[in-house]
Amino acid sequence: KNEVEQSPQNLTAQEGEFITINCSYSVGISALHWLQQHPGGGIVSLFMLSSGKKKHGRLIATINIQEKHSSLHITASHPRDSAVYICAVNINSGGSNYKLTFGKGTLLTVNP
Amino acid sequence: DGGITQSPKYLFRKEGQNVTLSCEQNLNHDAMYWYRQDPGQGLRLIYYSQIVNDFQKGDIAEGYSVSREKKESFPLTVTSAQKNPTAFYLCATSRGSQETQYFGPGTRLLVL
Repeated sequence: KNEVEQSPQNLTAQEGEFITINCSYSVGISALHWLQQHPGGGIVSLFMLSSGKKKHGRLIATINIQEKHSSLHITASHPRDSAVYICAVNINSGGSNYKLTFGKGTLLTVNP
Repeated sequence: DGGITQSPKYLFRKEGQNVTLSCEQNLNHDAMYWYRQDPGQGLRLIYYSQIVNDFQKGDIAEGYSVSREKKESFPLTVTSAQKNPTAFYLCATSRGSQETQYFGPGTRLLVL
């Protein structure tokens, strides 16, 4: 079983819809990251969070440490949001931890 | 123009050949990473470096080698011992551990 699981694997939405992508993890973590990968392959970091909620524009990321779960929300979705969204975690190893463990990603397609 | 550059964008390897992928950064980040991405799988860590002249193996280091002689540069050599090298290779940097990672545009390696 993967330490980081994302759902759904694929998501198709109509422009304007509210979108939620979920990430569950099975280990103790020190931080969780949400990344975006566009069709060309480049990856952009969207959020890094260890508690609570963060918002940037139409994107909102939340994390529940007790439930080992995080969600990425996109409000008023747009075709340019079409990308693979990746969840990754720094596993809590008790010291400095450079390594990220990644989920397999969620492919989001937003149709006009 | 700041950021991370990877070259070449596409690279072809013949059987038994070693090839080197370049990663250069001008973000003044201490940590650098190499990841491999295969279809349907999450990113996997090959090697990482916390600081100049130091590097550690990641989860899939066999068949790869790295060096970190300069802060700006972290080249990855795919040796002939790597039997399945076809993949998308991504370089990333961060200021330190458990920090946001910034990704380069990637190199696609294909075996002839």
